[in-house]
Amino acid sequence: DQQVKQNSPSLSVQEGRISILNCDYTNSMFDYFLWYKKYPAEGPTFLISISSIKDKNEDGRFTVFLNKSAKHLSLHIVPSQPGDSAVYFCAASTPLEYNQGGKLIFGQGTELSVKP
Amino acid sequence: SQTIHQWPATLVQPVGSPLSLECTVEGTSNPNLYWYRQAAGRGLQLLFYSVGIGQISSEVPQNLSASRPQDRQFILSSKKLLLSDSGFYLCAWRRGSGLAGKYEQYFGPGTRLTVT
Repeated sequence: DQQVKQNSPSLSVQEGRISILNCDYTNSMFDYFLWYKKYPAEGPTFLISISSIKDKNEDGRFTVFLNKSAKHLSLHIVPSQPGDSAVYFCAASTPLEYNQGGKLIFGQGTELSVKP
Repeated sequence: SQTIHQWPATLVQPVGSPLSLECTVEGTSNPNLYWYRQAAGRGLQLLFYSVGIGQISSEVPQNLSASRPQDRQFILSSKKLLLSDSGFYLCAWRRGSGLAGKYEQYFGPGTRLTVT
């Protein structure tokens, strides 16, 4: 049972345009969501996160939107740059008081390619 | 600041040989530690996590094992490698301060293991 799903394995965007990466989840107990960026042969790096009490969080070119009723979150990158080309993973967590060890549930990732 | 190290960076081992991958974290105490594997073209699979010295939780039954001999050291081992053990192994840490701890996990650079 895949609790966090990224249904688009790949996305191609022109430089300067908006990139929108989507993520759906099934567990209504999730209360915190994160996005990671991963280059080949490197470890993922934390990008941005959002608590379930919010519907938007912004950090520079990156904005994460959360729609709890639809169990959907998205990462917007504006403007997209060639250096943004990487695999993006969304992840989710249940509240720490119920989540021994602070485990994260990851999606399968979306490979973003930003064309110059 | 905190840093996480993994070694070796790459490893080629024959089937049936033993394995030992090491992960160390600097700049924090009592972290939660995690081992993940990313198979080719796949997502991140949580293998083990640890909330303290000598405390190991296994997520997936397999021929791998983990140990935490010191607070900031996490070791992934196998007595006999299988072809299916090939992959990219990632260690991660998280602030292990109980309910006050944050959700974010921070990843090491990874080890590329090829079993031949």
